[in-house]
Amino acid sequence: GAVVSQHPSWVICKSGTSVKIECRSLDFQATTMFWYRQFPKQSLMLMATSNEGSKATYEQGVEKDKFLINHASLTLSTLTVTSAHPEDSSFYICSARPLAGAQETQYFGPGTRLLVL
Amino acid sequence: GESVGLHLPTLSVQEGDNSIINCAYSNSASDYFIWYKQESGKGPQFIIDIRSNMDKRQGQRVTVLLNKTVKHLSLQIAATQPGDSAVYFCAETANFGNEKLTFGTGTRLTIIP
Repeated sequence: GAVVSQHPSWVICKSGTSVKIECRSLDFQATTMFWYRQFPKQSLMLMATSNEGSKATYEQGVEKDKFLINHASLTLSTLTVTSAHPEDSSFYICSARPLAGAQETQYFGPGTRLLVL
Repeated sequence: GESVGLHLPTLSVQEGDNSIINCAYSNSASDYFIWYKQESGKGPQFIIDIRSNMDKRQGQRVTVLLNKTVKHLSLQIAATQPGDSAVYFCAETANFGNEKLTFGTGTRLTIIP
């Protein structure tokens, strides 16, 4: 149980286009989902915290107008990278915190690799 | 600001030997700690966790030790196997996980056959 999926697993896009990444909790409901970014050989950096039905909370230095987050249901959060540029190329990972059970647990998705040309 | 760091960025261990990965944290309010394993191109995988009211917790082949006095966390992997090769991250949070996770820099563990 406690599976989190992401779609797509990888995407290549042209500079200036927008890319949407989906994060789904497959067998549980998630009150909170988190979006991380990971550059090569670096750690995960939290970008934003997403709560169902409310606006996301962004970390310092993360542009909310560039990284649009929508958390429309208890099983789905989306991250849209708007007007993507090569420096946005990274590995984007989401995690989900269950509504029930151990509140401290976060389950991670497999990640989405974005390459902006 | 607060940070979670690792002492060694890489570690090579002979297959069958034990390995120890260390982590230092600086947030005195941290009360919940987690070790994750990340294989190449994949998301982090939960290994083991520990709350601040404990100093040791054991799982299958893994043990986490917590020293709150010196703000130090370690992950011991016994009888390492080739499948243990990965990057290992420690992460910490406060309020028993109701706060956001802060990840350490990671240690790449390589198991030598």
